[in-house]
Amino acid sequence: GESVGLHLPTLSVQEGDNSIINCAYSNSASDYFIWYKQESGKGPQFIIDIRSNMDKRQGQRVTVLLNKTVKHLSLQIAATQPGDSAVYFCAEHQTGANNLFFGTGTRLTVIP
Amino acid sequence: ETGVTQTPRHLVMGMTNKKSLKCEQHLGHNAMYWYKQSAKKPLELMFVYSLEERVENNSVPSRFSPECPNSSHLFLHLHTLQPEDSALYLCASSQAPTGFGDTEAFFGQGTRLTVV
Repeated sequence: GESVGLHLPTLSVQEGDNSIINCAYSNSASDYFIWYKQESGKGPQFIIDIRSNMDKRQGQRVTVLLNKTVKHLSLQIAATQPGDSAVYFCAEHQTGANNLFFGTGTRLTVIP
Repeated sequence: ETGVTQTPRHLVMGMTNKKSLKCEQHLGHNAMYWYKQSAKKPLELMFVYSLEERVENNSVPSRFSPECPNSSHLFLHLHTLQPEDSALYLCASSQAPTGFGDTEAFFGQGTRLTVV
């Protein structure tokens, strides 16, 4: 399945399939990006980050891709599991800012 | 467990009450944040403290009053709140509030606030 980020706030995938969650940003001064996962009743939890001088970074079962030309960020989850069901937020840091700016999030539902 | 602890987890208060939310971080970070999370909205930054000094106040109504007595503790004092203030209030900490390096923020579990 594939999400177009803020325009499609929910994404449903079959267990075992790959998930792609997208995020668009608008500020060219954004220098650092993070993906967070938030499960019901919990605070956001760090998944993976990437700096603006990179275009790809891999973690365990997750990959973040950054396309600065079109200001687009994606999170790929391989072999999605039921425990991956959560809301996923992208966050960006802008040079000189004191904080992170968050998107509205995409709810990922994994169908067993 | 992220190393950021918030209490209480749930709070119901009347519009004339005064209450406080508490946040404690055990990570040795030098910046702490309050965020508000409402349904179907992005996380809204409320306050940022760096080295115990407030460096950002995002046009938050005066009925919310933060306090940072030391680098490990952050409070949010609440008084005469409105029903629309009901939300999940999240505390976070990070090692550096700006720029490069590990600016990852670690979040607490949040306090679910209901104003009646």
